[in-house]
Amino acid sequence: DAKTTQPNSMESNEEEPVHLPCNHSTISGTDYIHWYRQLPSQGPEYVIHGLTSNVNNRMASLAIAEDRKSSTLILHRATLRDAAVYYCILRVHAGNMLTFGGGTRLMVKP
Amino acid sequence: DGGITQSPKYLFRKEGQNVTLSCEQNLNHDAMYWYRQDPGQGLRLIYYSQIVNDFQKGDIAEGYSVSREKKESFPLTVTSAQKNPTAFYLCASSPDRASGNTIYFGEGSWLTVV
Repeated sequence: DAKTTQPNSMESNEEEPVHLPCNHSTISGTDYIHWYRQLPSQGPEYVIHGLTSNVNNRMASLAIAEDRKSSTLILHRATLRDAAVYYCILRVHAGNMLTFGGGTRLMVKP
Repeated sequence: DGGITQSPKYLFRKEGQNVTLSCEQNLNHDAMYWYRQDPGQGLRLIYYSQIVNDFQKGDIAEGYSVSREKKESFPLTVTSAQKNPTAFYLCASSPDRASGNTIYFGEGSWLTVV
């Protein structure tokens, strides 16, 4: 599976927007970009996914670069409940697994 | 509610014992997965199954075994051959292998060797 690169940690203030970057320079044309987040001692929770176009849902927005070699997860107004580890993952078409790296630990300050 | 149920949440194993972690889903998903997570680390794939009566090894299958006799069930056995089994175990499922499909995770099971 193609790999992704994320910063180890980021900090944000409550109520401010957060931009979480992800690089995936080896992405293939049919790979979807998925984002999950995980709270301590819980299973990962789906956040958003996309292929080429930017995507919005009730949790976040996903901005995908035109060449698809990078993407950014946008939390429009961070809350304390958004503090988690965020994983950017490429899902290979007809692949058998998701490959999880270390993710980005987001800390939100009140 | 539809979802994935893992049990038990916490399990203690003595040296030399086999233990089985349960995973049940009522989402009618074909694909199911088992991951292991060590503290502060990402997830690593143990086994996966795309269809009933079929399963494949992931990256760290040694010392583990699985079965897929029913679509909704994918139990994981941690055998005595697994030398360092203390970890957080996550079960997941997905409709199929299509890359646009979301993967859904259970709440996880903590296994500790005593």
